Amino acid sequence: AAGVIQSPRHLIKEKRETATLKCYPIPRHDTVYWYQQGPGQDPQFLISFYEKMQSDKGSIPDRFSAQQFSDYHSELNMSSLELGDSALYFCASSQRDSGGVADTQYFGPGTRLTVL
Amino acid sequence: GESVGLHLPTLSVQEGDNSIINCAYSNSASDYFIWYKQESGKGPQFIIDIRSNMDKRQGQRVTVLLNKTVKHLSLQIAATQPGDSAVYLCAEKPDTGANSKLTFGKGITLSVRP
Repeated sequence: AAGVIQSPRHLIKEKRETATLKCYPIPRHDTVYWYQQGPGQDPQFLISFYEKMQSDKGSIPDRFSAQQFSDYHSELNMSSLELGDSALYFCASSQRDSGGVADTQYFGPGTRLTVL
Repeated sequence: GESVGLHLPTLSVQEGDNSIINCAYSNSASDYFIWYKQESGKGPQFIIDIRSNMDKRQGQRVTVLLNKTVKHLSLQIAATQPGDSAVYLCAEKPDTGANSKLTFGKGITLSVRP
C-alpha cells in the first residue's frame, strides 16, 4: 500500500539558512499534518491543511510557513534556521470519513534536519 | 495545560510473554485515541485506535482498552516478539473538530528479552 512520502530524508543546513521540506500524502488523503520531534521528545504538532486551506495551527515559529498545493502535496518552509530547529520533521495524512470526522493519521518516514 | 502522559519510561518483557503499556490522559473531551509504534529514526507506525464510545478494541495480537472513568488507555500485546521492541506512543485528539491535531504522550520503550 502507498504510504506518505517525505523528501529529503536528511538535510544539513547552516544557521540562518533556509530549508524546504516536502510531503506527498497517501493517494486520496485530503489532510496533511506537520509534526516536529526533538531528540528524545514526543512529536509536537506544527500545522495542518485540509483541501489546501490551513485547518489547525500549533506551536509553529513565525519563521516557518507551510502550504498545501492543488495536488495535495505540502511544503514546510523554514527560514533563519537556528540550532534548536534540529529535529525530525514528520508529515502525516488522513482522509475525512463519510461522517466528516478525520480518519487515522498515517505518518511518513520523516526528514532529519541538522542545523550546524 | 492538559496532556497525555505515560506512567513508565521503559518496559522489559520476556519473549512470548504478554506486554501491557499504560497511558494516562487528562482531557476528558478527547474522543479519539491512537497507539503508534516508533522504531529508531522512523516515523510513528499506526497500531490501533479507539473512539470514546468504545472501551475495548482488538487487532492482530493487540488490544486497546479505554477507561474513561479514570482517563486511562492501555495497549496489550500478546506473545511479545523481538520485533515488537520499539518506542510506543499514545496519542489523543483533544479537539472534536475534524482534521484536528494529535497530542502525544511521552513514549515508552518496550524491550523484548530473547
